[in-house]
Amino acid sequence: EPEVTQTPSHQVTQMGQEVILRCVPISNHLYFYWYRQILGQKVEFLVSFYNNEISEKSEIFDDQFSVERPDGSNFTLKIRSTKLEDSAMYFCASTRGTSDYGYTFGSGTRLTVV
Amino acid sequence: AQSVAQPEDQVNVAEGNPLTVKCTYSVSGNPYLFWYVQYPNRGLQFLLKYITGDNLVKGSYGFEAEFNKSQTSFHLKKPSALVSDSALYFCAVRVETGRRALTFGSGTRLQVQP
Repeated sequence: EPEVTQTPSHQVTQMGQEVILRCVPISNHLYFYWYRQILGQKVEFLVSFYNNEISEKSEIFDDQFSVERPDGSNFTLKIRSTKLEDSAMYFCASTRGTSDYGYTFGSGTRLTVV
Repeated sequence: AQSVAQPEDQVNVAEGNPLTVKCTYSVSGNPYLFWYVQYPNRGLQFLLKYITGDNLVKGSYGFEAEFNKSQTSFHLKKPSALVSDSALYFCAVRVETGRRALTFGSGTRLQVQP
């Protein structure tokens, strides 16, 4: 069964440093998403991406965050200057198209900011 | 704004007994409803979804959920719980048109005792 792949599984970074979280969505999917889950809390939507541009973003997704599809397979989330409160599990997800409601999630990247 | 409520932080049930994990939602428009399961240090695994049609939806691992429009609920059920069902369960909703992002509930931890 096709999977969404996320790397790395765990990243530790110093506060103020830039991090890039990587995702390889399912190959025939067109819509891509980032969600995050702070430890013990609910899963929160960050951003959706379609046709090489952001289609929707939440209030969490401020100027410190950016997304990119640098090539035909990768989908990245960049945090420019990490803060302690950015520590969370970050999930990538993808869906095939407008009539497909099946979101496939990756296994997540645990980001720890120290 | 759309929202999901999972009123129970934890549900305890004995193996072999039926289980119910509750979910209520609030959206403007027709809802699309989902259940996901999260095992420790793992991503979100899709269990089932309601888009339209029969109010009783059957999903993976013997789980089912009933869509009740009048009560705006989508409770997850299983006739006979297994110890291996112990995990964190998330209900999620999106609307039929417009915003594609999922809104998640806060999660319910299911503990099945042998």
